[in-house]
Amino acid sequence: AQSVTQLDSQVPVFEEAPVELRCNYSSSVSVYLFWYVQYPNQGLQLLLKYLSGSTLVKGINGFEAEFNKSQTSFHLRKPSVHISDTAEYFCAVSDAAGNTPLVFGKGTRLSVIA
Amino acid sequence: EAEVAQSPRYKITEKSQAVAFWCDPISGHATLYWYRQILGQGPELLVQFQDESVVDDSQLPKDRFSAERLKGVDSTLKIQPAELGDSAMYLCASSSGQGDQYFGPGTRLLVL
Repeated sequence: AQSVTQLDSQVPVFEEAPVELRCNYSSSVSVYLFWYVQYPNQGLQLLLKYLSGSTLVKGINGFEAEFNKSQTSFHLRKPSVHISDTAEYFCAVSDAAGNTPLVFGKGTRLSVIA
Repeated sequence: EAEVAQSPRYKITEKSQAVAFWCDPISGHATLYWYRQILGQGPELLVQFQDESVVDDSQLPKDRFSAERLKGVDSTLKIQPAELGDSAMYLCASSSGQGDQYFGPGTRLLVL
């Protein structure tokens, strides 16, 4: 069975400061990794994904993440946050098989302070 | 850009009543998922369809929940009877099988 641990439930950060949201996973098979963002009362929007290839993945809205297989981590980073980045962020994992369900972490609430 | 459609967006019902949610996946996506997201937690899988067939419904409370995708396109999730603990966001997602899933806006259910 797979699992995802998001190490911080809440992350406050000042506007224009850098941020890192941490994610560790556990799996006995090869995985795909994802970060999703959720705004209040909305569905999940895909920020970025790692399927294969380069371990540094760039996504939308200036976010990037790095897959570290030895540390089983997939941390999300942004060099300069905006007020509009305030949202819930979810890390997710699936089998590297293409048609398997996602297993999500509990989420990290990013609050950007003006 | 193609999107996953869900309706209704919000539903308030009394316990013991029946509710139904609808999902229309992105055209051409053979795989459809229903997830449930309890407030403050990540989504959890309820059921997965491949075309019209159920692939995984191991986490679906079958005494009260049912799901169907009769023609392999849109899908309906039903709860009968609803219980207080069913209050949650119900999310539908679809996939082409290339690894990523696209989510609809969700249906927020409140059971009184």
